[in-house]
Amino acid sequence: EAGVVQSPRYKIIEKKQPVAFWCNPISGHNTLYWYRQNLGQGPELLIRYENEEAVDDSQLPKDRFSAERLKGVDSTLKIQPAELGDSAVYLCASSLFGHNEQFFGPGTRLTVL
Amino acid sequence: SQQGEEDPQALSIQEGENATMNCSYKTSINNLQWYRQNSGRGLVHLILIRSNEREKHSGRLRVTLDTSKKSSSLLITASRAADTASYFCASSEGNYQLIWGAGTKLIIKP
Repeated sequence: EAGVVQSPRYKIIEKKQPVAFWCNPISGHNTLYWYRQNLGQGPELLIRYENEEAVDDSQLPKDRFSAERLKGVDSTLKIQPAELGDSAVYLCASSLFGHNEQFFGPGTRLTVL
Repeated sequence: SQQGEEDPQALSIQEGENATMNCSYKTSINNLQWYRQNSGRGLVHLILIRSNEREKHSGRLRVTLDTSKKSSSLLITASRAADTASYFCASSEGNYQLIWGAGTKLIIKP
């Protein structure tokens, strides 16, 4: 069974540029999460989807961050414009509805110069 | 937001020794989970212990939960070089949101 797929794995951009991350969850997983992980810290939830509905986006900085999961499968997380403080690893995870165990992708390491 | 705490922040032991990591949390929980993260990789689920359980085993892993002290511990017995990683605890109130600790960085010396 394929795991959670994320791309790109690495991204280096200059501040004020836009950037987008893509995630393909495990087949059949209704719930999809986007996390941000700073160096030496645990993940921080940005947004959680149940199918195509964003059910928890309270931690998403909506002035510059946006996300979508149009068909309830793949998801895209966008930052526009990026700031220096956005440098982090962006993790996507998925789970079966009603299950707590989450399956993580390898993450996208973003560096903003 | 992160509300869990892990102790120690870093641990370096010889291969074959046992490694113990501790986690504390602040709210009442439905379950607590432990994850492993190898350098540059995503997190991998190790074990889940429910609030009505006190101890759980999985291979070389032993997890305990003390709800009165709001704490959990992860014991890895007979450590191997491949166990080198960061270990995170994540508590859940049962509403799918996980509250993560900052992790313990474990180094196994050959």
